[in-house]
Amino acid sequence: DVKVTQSSRYLVKRTGEKVFLECVQDMDHENMFWYRQDPGLGLRLIYFSYDVKMKEKGDIPEGYSVSREKKERFSLILESASTNQTSMYLCASRNLDRGNSNQPQHFGDGTRLSIL
Amino acid sequence: AQSVTQPDIHITVSEGASLELRCNYSYGATPYLFWYVQSPGQGLQLLLKYFSGDTLVQGIKGFEAEFKRSQSSFNLRKPSVHWSDAAEYFCAVGSSNTGKLIFGQGTTLQVKP
Repeated sequence: DVKVTQSSRYLVKRTGEKVFLECVQDMDHENMFWYRQDPGLGLRLIYFSYDVKMKEKGDIPEGYSVSREKKERFSLILESASTNQTSMYLCASRNLDRGNSNQPQHFGDGTRLSIL
Repeated sequence: AQSVTQPDIHITVSEGASLELRCNYSYGATPYLFWYVQSPGQGLQLLLKYFSGDTLVQGIKGFEAEFKRSQSSFNLRKPSVHWSDAAEYFCAVGSSNTGKLIFGQGTTLQVKP
């Protein structure tokens, strides 16, 4: 089974802090994604990465950055945390199988981040 | 613009009753469609997916979904709901090339004893 591990289940930080959320997958997947989940809004894509050192903005990238130095790890960075970034953050990975495009995303258990 | 709509925010059904969760999508090309389930405090688990072929797809936990192109719908069904099915359900439409998904707002299912 695919395992996507997010380093923290719960995290409390203060306004203005630089915050790192870490995600590791163990299946050598090329694609990785960061979402935030808010009630009534579903999941919204923040950033995604096709492969190592590649990144693309999603729908709501403002206030965030990402890093993908190794294939298995995709980090989300809040440069200067603000209270409106309090949310559930979900990481996902996907196998890029060029011979079989119907590969789903596999999700971690999420990090519930509170910014005080 | 691409979008997914789940018209029902909350649904309550009795245990043993049938279930249908609605999903409508707007997508320019042939859609790749998914249903995910999220139990409290957990990530999302894939229930089923549709890419092509038979429009009725079977998933895990006894769920199925039917793709109807004419109605732009991909509704999720289960003939008999169990208490453990109480969770939040997300419909998503995606691109096979990029792997990006667009999610609906989610439907919370409550199961009455």
